[in-house]
Amino acid sequence: GNSVTQMEGPVTLSEEAFLTINCTYTATGYPSLFWYVQYPGEGLQLLLKATKADDKGSNKGFEATYRKETTSFHLEKGSVQVSDSAVYFCALSYNAGNNRKLIWGLGTSLAVNP
Amino acid sequence: NAGVTQTPKFQVLKTGQSMTLQCAQDMNHEYMSWYRQDPGMGLRLIHYSVGAGITDQGEVPNGYNVSRSTTEDFPLRLLSAAPSQTSVYFCASSYSGFGTPYEQYFGPGTRLTVT
Repeated sequence: GNSVTQMEGPVTLSEEAFLTINCTYTATGYPSLFWYVQYPGEGLQLLLKATKADDKGSNKGFEATYRKETTSFHLEKGSVQVSDSAVYFCALSYNAGNNRKLIWGLGTSLAVNP
Repeated sequence: NAGVTQTPKFQVLKTGQSMTLQCAQDMNHEYMSWYRQDPGMGLRLIHYSVGAGITDQGEVPNGYNVSRSTTEDFPLRLLSAAPSQTSVYFCASSYSGFGTPYEQYFGPGTRLTVT
């Protein structure tokens, strides 16, 4: 079946460090891929998305490329800030008959120290 | 647009009590869903709806009821609260048309404690 696996946290970095959070998926067909971010005490919000192979999603300095050959959608940022401290969720959506389905990773907590 | 709103923000219940968590959206989204978020468990889908009058179960529906009488509202009812239902509950909505990426818009959450 379809699934999403993301690296376990917590991840702790110093400000201005490079960030990678790994996400791999298993899916048939052509899913869409997402990264969501959850800041402390808030709901999730969409960070970036990619709808087909080789698409690169980007937002707020974060990037992720939809790699079909490695079934990956790793999240990267070149220089993290304290304000990036949050939980990051990788997700996949696909068509299932007449319905759309969404599968979530378990989330990766990021703490950025000044 | 207010987006997705949820009330209350916090709630404490005693075992056996019932209550309704409210969710509303003003984006005319067909799809609405309820999740619970527990430490180490990620997001788990409780119930969802693909339009007014249509609901279906997610992966953890036991102990919860939903109805969808309007496009805007999707309340979640706890029938007889149990300590295992202590969690943070999120409502989400999206446009569900095929051919769209199906991105979700989340409410701010309801933190529920059952004692």
